[in-house]
Amino acid sequence: DVKVTQSSRYLVKRTGEKVFLECVQDMDHENMFWYRQDPGLGLRLIYFSYDVKMKEKGDIPEGYSVSREKKERFSLILESASTNQTSMYLCASSSEGSTQYFGPGTRLTVL
Amino acid sequence: GQQVMQIPQYQHVQEGEDFTTYCNSSTTLSNIQWYKQRPGGHPVFLIQLVKSGEVKKQKRLTFQFGEAKKNSSLHITATQTTDVGTYFCAEPSNAGGTSYGKLTFGQGTILTVHP
Repeated sequence: DVKVTQSSRYLVKRTGEKVFLECVQDMDHENMFWYRQDPGLGLRLIYFSYDVKMKEKGDIPEGYSVSREKKERFSLILESASTNQTSMYLCASSSEGSTQYFGPGTRLTVL
Repeated sequence: GQQVMQIPQYQHVQEGEDFTTYCNSSTTLSNIQWYKQRPGGHPVFLIQLVKSGEVKKQKRLTFQFGEAKKNSSLHITATQTTDVGTYFCAEPSNAGGTSYGKLTFGQGTILTVHP
């Protein structure tokens, strides 16, 4: 069974804090993705990575950065959290051209 | 940028009624995928359509890919309460020529089934 895990299901942070969201997959997938999901806006791609240390911006990268030091791990970083980054964050992984497997999500609240 | 339009945004049905959600793309697609997200859950892959005019069935779910490969639909016959959730279509993102497995998701259709 493909497994994508995320470090936290729920997270509460204060404005200005640095936030790390971790994602780990166990299927040796090349590609990993970070999305945020907001009501009425669907899934929006923040960043993705197609190999270790390789990353590309998605549709809404502002205010975020990522790190992929190992193939199985993809981290999303909020350098200085703001209230408008309160959202559900979903990580996914895939091989080229195949389906995406999602983690359970992290619901982040920034106060 | 690349857009995939999905309608309706919401659908409320009585148990036993049918349900359909539609996706339309501005480009000709190599394939289209469908995902389901249960309330409180995460998106889960349902199916991928590749061929023009393709029709695939999974029990009460019927998936169609348009002849021009620009639209797709998901139809559920005789809905059950277990069908509740958000249904997303997703198309490959080809901007820049290399997809790396990226997908552009429709906004989703939220299905509510009243018993």
